Amino acid sequence: EIVLTQSPGTLSLSPGERATLSCRASQSVDSDYVAWYQQKPGQAPRLLIYAASTRATGIPDNFTGSGSGTDFTLTIAGLEPEDFAVYYCQQYGYSPYTFGQGTKLDMK
Amino acid sequence: EEQLLESGGGLVQPGGSLRLSCAVSGFTFRTYAMGWVRQAPGKGLEWVSSISGAGTATDYGDSVKGRFTISRDNSKNSLYLQMNSLRAEDTAVYYCAKAKYGAAARPVFDLWGQGTLVTVSS
Repeated sequence: EIVLTQSPGTLSLSPGERATLSCRASQSVDSDYVAWYQQKPGQAPRLLIYAASTRATGIPDNFTGSGSGTDFTLTIAGLEPEDFAVYYCQQYGYSPYTFGQGTKLDMK
Repeated sequence: EEQLLESGGGLVQPGGSLRLSCAVSGFTFRTYAMGWVRQAPGKGLEWVSSISGAGTATDYGDSVKGRFTISRDNSKNSLYLQMNSLRAEDTAVYYCAKAKYGAAARPVFDLWGQGTLVTVSS
């Protein structure tokens, strides 16, 4: 099983700042099959990024995914109040398809 | 509008069974793989199971293999999860999710339902 470790656990930033979230895999993820999801309290997750760097439909371009192999990053430029949420990475290259433990993006 | 609506959650005793359903609308159901993802209270996401668009291929997480069965009825635009031998650690919100592609393998989920709570307790 591929273990995904997200860091930091909590990130406290102010609106307008840039957020950098990390996701490290315990082994290389096949063909960069990594996705990022956003989840707000009481809501279902929403797909942001798939294939490591492709934005999902309707996702604004201030969300950027990057990385390959074992190290992946989600960058959110110019934080808006609605961006404060929990973010999960997922690898879907190898079954079982695992999620990271999440990074909580807090408003400072 | 694409929509997923789960039902069937509730309180069940350890060792009991429950069947979750997910009614789908707004897209060509048979074209896409589907899956279930769960979230224990206050915890992160855990992939449970996936099924191909045709229903011919399935896959399960290790913690539910042999106890849960995923199925679909493309004529009814519905997805199911039969859960047997339930344990306290199965307590979670269960989300129905649509995959971007038709194969059960490599599920990335681009549409989610609002979830249904399953509580396993005596």
